[in-house]
Amino acid sequence: ETGVTQSPTHLIKTRGQQVTLRCSSQSGHNTVSWYQQALGQGPQFIFQYYREEENGRGNFPPRFSGLQFPNYSSELNVNALELDDSALYLCASSLAEPGHITSGDGYTFGSGTRLTVV
Amino acid sequence: AQSVTQLGSHVSVSEGALVLLRCNYSSSVPPYLFWYVQYPNQGLQLLLKYTTGATLVKGINGFEAEFKKSETSFHLTKPSAHMSDAAEYFCAVSWSSASKIIFGSGTRLSIRP
Repeated sequence: ETGVTQSPTHLIKTRGQQVTLRCSSQSGHNTVSWYQQALGQGPQFIFQYYREEENGRGNFPPRFSGLQFPNYSSELNVNALELDDSALYLCASSLAEPGHITSGDGYTFGSGTRLTVV
Repeated sequence: AQSVTQLGSHVSVSEGALVLLRCNYSSSVPPYLFWYVQYPNQGLQLLLKYTTGATLVKGINGFEAEFKKSETSFHLTKPSAHMSDAAEYFCAVSWSSASKIIFGSGTRLSIRP
């Protein structure tokens, strides 16, 4: 399997609800990061996981949480949804180890899940 | 802290004309620099990246960028624009190939017939 697959592609939720977004990475990609891209803006880093442990976090509240599984899949969970959570959520995975300097591998991005909170 | 500034949220050029998208970064350490392209309703596709070595980097679809440390710039160019180049372009910086990526706010490129 090649590439990064995200599901679902679109989702509509009501304010206050909880949502789980899923990402399936390429085999061997132990590093995964999630980004939030609001309309008209650049992607913002939410957090990164390496070998099933959180390895860094951006400026997002604790109601944004994640999981990474041994089969190279991962989840982004958002509790108590707010209207401002409406955005495109992007998953990106890499063969490289976080902080390891290499001129080779970088991130491969999925096509994203567009979440609308009403 | 690292940051990225893209000058011009919207750039419009004629088909066949030179494309120049500007990017400046601030970083306390030698950075990894990237340009990504995003077509409507799609994810991000890597156009090119600078890690080490040659400062002129060639990417896909005829794009190239030059890393100028003295100017802290990484501008994206293409000699002749094509209609299919119309998209959103993001400049980005990272500490390493798998560290978090800091993105600019993007530049929307429009191509006039």
